[in-house]
Amino acid sequence: GPKVLQIPSHQIIDMGQMVTLNCDPVSNHLYFYWYKQILGQQMEFLVNFYNGKVMEKSKLFKDQFSVERPDGSYFTLKIQPTALEDSAVYFCASRTGTGASAETLYFGSGTRLTVL
Amino acid sequence: GEKVEQHESTLSVREGDSAVINCTYTDTASSYFPWYKQEAGKSLHFVIDIRSNVDRKQSQRLIVLLDKKAKRFSLHITATQPEDSAIYFCAASMSNNRIFFGDGTQLVVKP
Repeated sequence: GPKVLQIPSHQIIDMGQMVTLNCDPVSNHLYFYWYKQILGQQMEFLVNFYNGKVMEKSKLFKDQFSVERPDGSYFTLKIQPTALEDSAVYFCASRTGTGASAETLYFGSGTRLTVL
Repeated sequence: GEKVEQHESTLSVREGDSAVINCTYTDTASSYFPWYKQEAGKSLHFVIDIRSNVDRKQSQRLIVLLDKKAKRFSLHITATQPEDSAIYFCAASMSNNRIFFGDGTQLVVKP
């Protein structure tokens, strides 16, 4: 089936440093998402992105967070500076937005971020 | 905004029995209700969904029911197998908007 790739799978950084999480969405998908998973359970919405713009963001999407997808390359989540509470698994997801499966999200395998 | 509650945090059944996971939502404008499965250490993948124009949908051993009046929906897994063991997430969304997830139900199918 369609695959969303996330790079890297693990990232360990010191508090205060910048980190960029990379996502390669499914090629014909138009809508992109970042979710944060805490303690292996809760899936918290961070942001969705369409047509080069942030469509919606949650209160978890702090000022230190930013997303972009320059010229159809990776869809990235940047955190600058990082804080201890940013430690979590971050999942990227994408969907077509059109057709019968317009709303079905396809998830990447996640990036485990550890902030020391 | 929408709030999705998943009532069972864990559920244990014997192989061959049925498992039922229940969710409620708050926003009457929600019209799309997907279910996702997450196996240990892996990502989420889509298993089945239901839209608000129907109240029942079946795909092989999976049945989803939707009660719009009660703002409740459920996933029924019949004839469970050990490979059904995973965390199951229910979700709700309005069309083309963010998808709100429940907190997940850990299903354990004992041989």
